[in-house]
Amino acid sequence: QSALTQPRSVSGSPGQSVTISCTGTSSDVGGYNYVSWYQQYPGKVPKVMIYDVSRRPSGVPDRFSGSKSGNTASLTISGLQAEDEADYYCSSYAGHYNIGVFGGGTKLTVL
Amino acid sequence: EVQLVQSGAEVKKPGESLKISCQGSGYSFSTSYIGWVRQMPGKGLEWMGVIFPADSSVRYRPSFQGQVTISVDKSINTAYLQWSSLKASDTAMYYCAKEAWGGVEYWGQGTLVTVPS
Repeated sequence: QSALTQPRSVSGSPGQSVTISCTGTSSDVGGYNYVSWYQQYPGKVPKVMIYDVSRRPSGVPDRFSGSKSGNTASLTISGLQAEDEADYYCSSYAGHYNIGVFGGGTKLTVL
Repeated sequence: EVQLVQSGAEVKKPGESLKISCQGSGYSFSTSYIGWVRQMPGKGLEWMGVIFPADSSVRYRPSFQGQVTISVDKSINTAYLQWSSLKASDTAMYYCAKEAWGGVEYWGQGTLVTVPS
C-alpha cells in the first residue's frame, strides 16, 4: 500500500496562490470522496484543514480550499501569508485495505 | 469538546516491551474508530491501524501487522498501542487519532518513544 504522491516542496510569495497536489489511484483518492488535508508546523501536532475533499472545519480560513479530479486531489491556498509556511499532508480512505493512507508531505515555503 | 489525551514520553532499551495509551472524551468513544499514526524523525505520517471499541475489531496497515498490537478498554475510554520487543527503528512520535473514513478528525498530543541503539 503506497503512500499518496505529493510534491516534496512548493513555494510562493505573500498574496499569491499555491496549489499542492495529491495523487493516488482509483482504490483511494479516485474511488472515494474522503480526502483530507493537514497542516503541521515543526514539532507540533497536525491540524485538519480540509476534510471530505472540500469541507473546512470551523476556524479554518476560507483561503484554504480543496478539490478533486479523478485520482488527484488538490489543496489551494490563496492570499498566501507567512504563517502558512508549514508541512502539508493529504490523506484518503483506501478501500482495498480498509484503512487510510497519507501522502508523503509537502513543505510550503513563503518567499 | 473532543479530547484525546496520551500518555507521556518514554525512553526504553531495545528488546523491552511498551504500552502507550490514549484516553478519549467528549464524544461517543465506543462507536467511533480510533487509531494510531506514526511519525518517524523528520519523516511523514503513517497510519498504523485503527480499532472499533464497541467490538474491539482491529484493522492494521499491512506493514505494521504483527509488529504492534492495538487494543482498547472501552470501560475507561482508552486505546492502547503495544510493542513486545522494541527496536531502535521504533523511535518516533506516535499520535492517537479519532478516525473517520481514512482521515483524522481529532489528534492526540503525541507520545514520543525513544529507543536508543
